[in-house]
Amino acid sequence: AQSVAQPEDQVNVAEGNPLTVKCTYSVSGNPYLFWYVQYPNRGLQFLLKYITGDNLVKGSYGFEAEFNKSQTSFHLKKPSALVSDSALYFCAVRDDTGGFKTIFGAGTRLFVKA
Amino acid sequence: GAGVSQTPSNKVTEKGKYVELRCDPISGHTALYWYRQSLGQGPEFLIYFQGTGAADDSGLPNDRFFAVRPEGSVSTLKIQRTERGDSAVYLCASSLTSSYNEQFFGPGTRLTVL
Repeated sequence: AQSVAQPEDQVNVAEGNPLTVKCTYSVSGNPYLFWYVQYPNRGLQFLLKYITGDNLVKGSYGFEAEFNKSQTSFHLKKPSALVSDSALYFCAVRDDTGGFKTIFGAGTRLFVKA
Repeated sequence: GAGVSQTPSNKVTEKGKYVELRCDPISGHTALYWYRQSLGQGPEFLIYFQGTGAADDSGLPNDRFFAVRPEGSVSTLKIQRTERGDSAVYLCASSLTSSYNEQFFGPGTRLTVL
């Protein structure tokens, strides 16, 4: 069965510092991995995805994520955090075995302090 | 262009009543998903449509839940004999194709069952 774990309910970082939001997953086949962000009073927005190829993927707003197959992880990173990055971040996974179900993690709330 | 829209934005009903939640996907998107999000949790997959057919309804919690997409565009999620435990935000998302394209989410319908 597919599953996603986001081990931190909340991440606090100072503006200008690097940030990492962690995600690990479990799937039957090869994973398709996604990060979404949810700002207050707004819908979920796509940030980036890993399908195949280069393990480091770059996305919107300066975010990037690194796929690590041996550790089954897909951590979200940004070199320099902004106060406006404060939001709820969700990691999601589906596999390539033919199913259509996308499994989301419970979310990590990011607070960036000025 | 127009994004995914959902109506109503809020729905309050009494236990035992029937409700319908509507989703208008992005024009041209053949894939449509319904999710349920409870407070403090990530979106929980309910059902996936490819065109008019429900390709995967494995996430529907029981036979009180049903969804249709008769013309391959607008979808309606129907809940019979609502229970207090059905209270949640119901999210709709659409995408261009099924397997690895990112999903575009609507703002959600907040359902409250009294």
